[in-house]
Amino acid sequence: KAGVTQTPRYLIKTRGQQVTLSCSPISGHRSVSWYQQTPGQGLQFLFEYFSETQRNKGNFPGRFSGRQFSNSRSEMNVSTLELGDSALYLCASTPGTNYGYTFGSGTRLTVV
Amino acid sequence: DAKTTQPPSMDCAEGRAANLPCNHSTISGNEYVYWYRQIHSQGPQYIIHGLKNNETNEMASLIITEDRKSSTLILPHATLRDTAVYYCIVRVDRGSTLGRLYFGRGTQLTVWP
Repeated sequence: KAGVTQTPRYLIKTRGQQVTLSCSPISGHRSVSWYQQTPGQGLQFLFEYFSETQRNKGNFPGRFSGRQFSNSRSEMNVSTLELGDSALYLCASTPGTNYGYTFGSGTRLTVV
Repeated sequence: DAKTTQPPSMDCAEGRAANLPCNHSTISGNEYVYWYRQIHSQGPQYIIHGLKNNETNEMASLIITEDRKSSTLILPHATLRDTAVYYCIVRVDRGSTLGRLYFGRGTQLTVWP
């Protein structure tokens, strides 16, 4: 069965621009989480969605937002990009509690 | 926010067992211990998880101490492909939150021929 699909795989943006990343979870998984990974901070939780509702949010500024659609696909948006937003953005899905998470391969965002 | 402590690096000879320790002294009664690994620039891969009993699957074994303050991930016969960063994670589960994972720095495991 298909895994978690993230698009695009690579992205280069300029400071001040905005970007939208997409995540398609495994079929049947209703929970989607997003993580940011940088060499300095490691893996950090951004937010989690379940049934189109944001259930939890990490400690990131309001420039980072997300949403989930009725088919469980999720998008995250970063506005007014800064150089420090350069990172690997990972999406994970799970069918629910007591299950492991399946991560996608990530979107590598570079802000120049 | 990390709630676990792991050694930054370990190495292991190919074919030998790799035992990766993790300390989670502040774990609460309903928190699970999860292990993931990440091969360079790929998404983390789920390995195993447990609450208080020892667990085994096709990839690894998880040994949790009786007081649940520490655990050990065992890769019984390490191969070169097991070289990765291994993360021990305590999964917070509160109410409607399905699970926010706190990743620490993990352990870089290097398997040598």
